[in-house]
Amino acid sequence: SQTIHQWPATLVQPVGSPLSLECTVEGTSNPNLYWYRQAAGRGLQLLFYSVGIGQISSEVPQNLSASRPQDRQFILSSKKLLLSDSGFYLCAWSGFAEAFFGQGTRLTVV
Amino acid sequence: GQQLNQSPQSMFIQEGEDVSMNCTSSSIFNTWLWYKQDPGEGPVLLIALYKAGELTSNGRLTAQFGITRKDSFLNISASIPSDVGIYFCAGHSTGTASKLTFGTGTRLQVTL
Repeated sequence: SQTIHQWPATLVQPVGSPLSLECTVEGTSNPNLYWYRQAAGRGLQLLFYSVGIGQISSEVPQNLSASRPQDRQFILSSKKLLLSDSGFYLCAWSGFAEAFFGQGTRLTVV
Repeated sequence: GQQLNQSPQSMFIQEGEDVSMNCTSSSIFNTWLWYKQDPGEGPVLLIALYKAGELTSNGRLTAQFGITRKDSFLNISASIPSDVGIYFCAGHSTGTASKLTFGTGTRLQVTL
């Protein structure tokens, strides 16, 4: 069966520091991969999605970037965090239509 | 990005009551999905719908794929405290680079 791992679960980072969140999927090949951000009590905002290694599409201009160095690995990064980058970050994978989410990372920028 | 219109935004209900929520779109979808998100966790897939008019149940949950393919409904019967959470609908169309479009969410709170 397929599983998705996302870490860390929580992170507190100072403004201006770099960020790296990692997501890996097991039990499937060539998944579509996604990064979402969710503000407190709000909906899901799609940040990036990838249909293959090295293929990244960005949905909104922002202070973040994504990379897919391996088929089942998706990384969300920032060179310098802003206060507005705080939020709940979710990684997800899909085969065709259904998406399956990781447990999320709560990022607080202070 | 694009989002679906989901209603109601939030609802308080008493334990044992039935719940209904819906999602509408200006675009046609080939697949409708319903998710539930507990606080501090990722959304979990509840029901997937693949055909217009399809009615699918998962325990006390029943969802329908609208005939027009532009809407979907989720019903929860005899609500219990663990039904608390945020429910999201999502639509998928072929030819849209495999992206899901999510609804704005319905926050459900159950009073005893």
